[in-house]
Amino acid sequence: DMQMTQSPSFVSASVGDRVTITCRASQAISSWLAWYQQKPGKAPKLLIYSASNLQSGVPSRFSGSGSGTEFSLTISGLQPEDFAIYYCQHPNKFPYTFGQGTKLEIK
Amino acid sequence: EVQLVESGGDLVQPGGSLRLSCAASGFPFGSYAMNWVRQAPGKGLEWISFINYNGGAILYADSVKGRFVITRDNAKESLFLQMNSLRAEDTAVYYCARQYCISESCSFDGWGQGTLVTVSS
Repeated sequence: DMQMTQSPSFVSASVGDRVTITCRASQAISSWLAWYQQKPGKAPKLLIYSASNLQSGVPSRFSGSGSGTEFSLTISGLQPEDFAIYYCQHPNKFPYTFGQGTKLEIK
Repeated sequence: EVQLVESGGDLVQPGGSLRLSCAASGFPFGSYAMNWVRQAPGKGLEWISFINYNGGAILYADSVKGRFVITRDNAKESLFLQMNSLRAEDTAVYYCARQYCISESCSFDGWGQGTLVTVSS
């Protein structure tokens, strides 16, 4: 089965910082990668699809890149509402594996 | 606006059964594949089941295969998950999620608020 490995698992940053989260797939997956944001007690929310496409309504400070096995999610100019857990997912081949998550906390 | 509302979560004893429902609105339900995703307390997201737009294709994660059954009723715009032989490790919040595909690229672009299933004696 596909394995999705995120790094780091935990990151501490300040408002205004630029943060990058990485997701590595155990097999090449072209650009078939999605990123989600989850806040405590809430459902996940789609941020990025097809590795680099911003979901409608998502602020432009979020961006995604990568293809093959290496992907990244970058948040430029962190806002207080961005502190959450972020997950990558390969949603094109079963099982639809999620990464283990990256918790972004306020420094 | 995509709206998904899960229900049916409860406290159930090990070995018991439970049926979850997901009511959809705001989009043509019968045109979309749907999924169930769960999240154990303090843990990450785990995809558990897929059903295509008309119920003709169904898949399960190994962790639930043979115990859970996914179905849908397009006339009633509803998704279901029949959970049998429940175990303590099935304790989780269960989400239904809409799958949206553009060409070959898919994502889960709509999620319900989740329903909590607790398996305990």
